Amino acid sequence: GAGVSQSPSNKVTEKGKDVELRCDPISGHTALYWYRQRLGQGLEFLIYFQGNSAPDKSGLPSDRFSAERTGESVSTLTIQRTQQEDSAVYLCASRRQGPETQYFGPGTRLLVL
Amino acid sequence: SQQGEEDPQALSIQEGENATMNCSYKTSINNLQWYRQNSGRGLVHLILIRSNEREKHSGRLRVTLDTSKKSSSLLITASRAADTASYFCATDRQGAQKLVFGQGTRLTINP
Repeated sequence: GAGVSQSPSNKVTEKGKDVELRCDPISGHTALYWYRQRLGQGLEFLIYFQGNSAPDKSGLPSDRFSAERTGESVSTLTIQRTQQEDSAVYLCASRRQGPETQYFGPGTRLLVL
Repeated sequence: SQQGEEDPQALSIQEGENATMNCSYKTSINNLQWYRQNSGRGLVHLILIRSNEREKHSGRLRVTLDTSKKSSSLLITASRAADTASYFCATDRQGAQKLVFGQGTRLTINP
């Protein structure tokens, strides 16, 4: 079956512009996560959606970052007024309710010039 | 800050040798997972060990968990060039719904 997909694969933008990243989770997966990974670093948790519950936004680094998810489908991560320090790979993962294993997408590599 | 901490940060061995990576964590957990990442892209789940388990095997992988020391190890036996990747441990803390990842070990297998 299809895995987690993300688009775009790569995004180059100018400082100050807004960007929108998309994640399509595996069908039937109720939980969806966004992570940020800077070069050579581990994964930083950003936000977590579980069904229709209020999302856990505790990892969002600033109010320039926001994310939405409609039901158990697509999610978008929006970064407003991008800064150079936002350059990173943004990874999305989804999980079925119950089992703990997360399934990751290929990521979006964001470069802010 | 990340709970899991892997060591070593980088490991380079010859093909056919065994590779051992370690992970330490700080709080009580439900389970600990190991993931592999190739070329800085998506992570692939390797193995999960629960807090009441001490050892688990999957193919050439062997994972141990010592909850008294809050540590885990991942052993890859008979390494292959294709095992070259970064390996991350991730902990699923009690009461939380999200994984906390370490900084990873970068493993290089030399042919």
